[in-house]
Amino acid sequence: DAGVTQSPTHLIKTRGQQVTLRCSPKSGHDTVSWYQQALGQGPQFIFQYYEEEERQRGNFPDRFSGHQFPNYSSELNVNALLLGDSALYLCASSPRLAGGRETQYFGPGTRLLVL
Amino acid sequence: RKEVEQDPGPFNVPEGATVAFNCTYSNSASQSFFWYRQDCRKEPKLLMSVYSSGNEDGRFTAQLNRASQYISLLIRDSKLSDSATYLCVVNRGTGRRALTFGSGTRLQVQP
Repeated sequence: DAGVTQSPTHLIKTRGQQVTLRCSPKSGHDTVSWYQQALGQGPQFIFQYYEEEERQRGNFPDRFSGHQFPNYSSELNVNALLLGDSALYLCASSPRLAGGRETQYFGPGTRLLVL
Repeated sequence: RKEVEQDPGPFNVPEGATVAFNCTYSNSASQSFFWYRQDCRKEPKLLMSVYSSGNEDGRFTAQLNRASQYISLLIRDSKLSDSATYLCVVNRGTGRRALTFGSGTRLQVQP
């Protein structure tokens, strides 16, 4: 049973560029959430997708956008990159509602460095 | 004020020691509570859920006090392999809700 997968593992971009990160959820999961983790901090929620729509959004600017595909995989896009966007980007998946105690399972992350 | 607050540590303890981590959360609407473990440069992994009645998993015991909005994690007989950052996490609802993380408490178990 494959877990959550993400690609690429590492990425180096320059300020002003755009980046797309990809995530495939764990088998049987239909909900994908994206988090940004800066060095020394806990992950911060960016947004969540299910049924191919953005359902919740954290306190991130519109430069951060996403998409979910019919197979439940997801993309995170960041436009006009800033130095402060350098972080570990984590994708987490969770199953359909099941008792309220289901948590989210994380992929290995994409480490983005903006120069 | 952060929604989930943790002592950042680091906690440096000898092997075999008992160590306790505390966490407070500000949103009384929070419904689910977890401890995650994160190794250096890796993703967070679920350590255990936290139930109102308290729960234990081997050497790990978690407690929740909803009235005080306080969560704890106790690790007994610390092992070198317990060295990691421990993240306190709350969820306002079911798995579809956003997880809110504390900044983590770093534990270093020394031989």
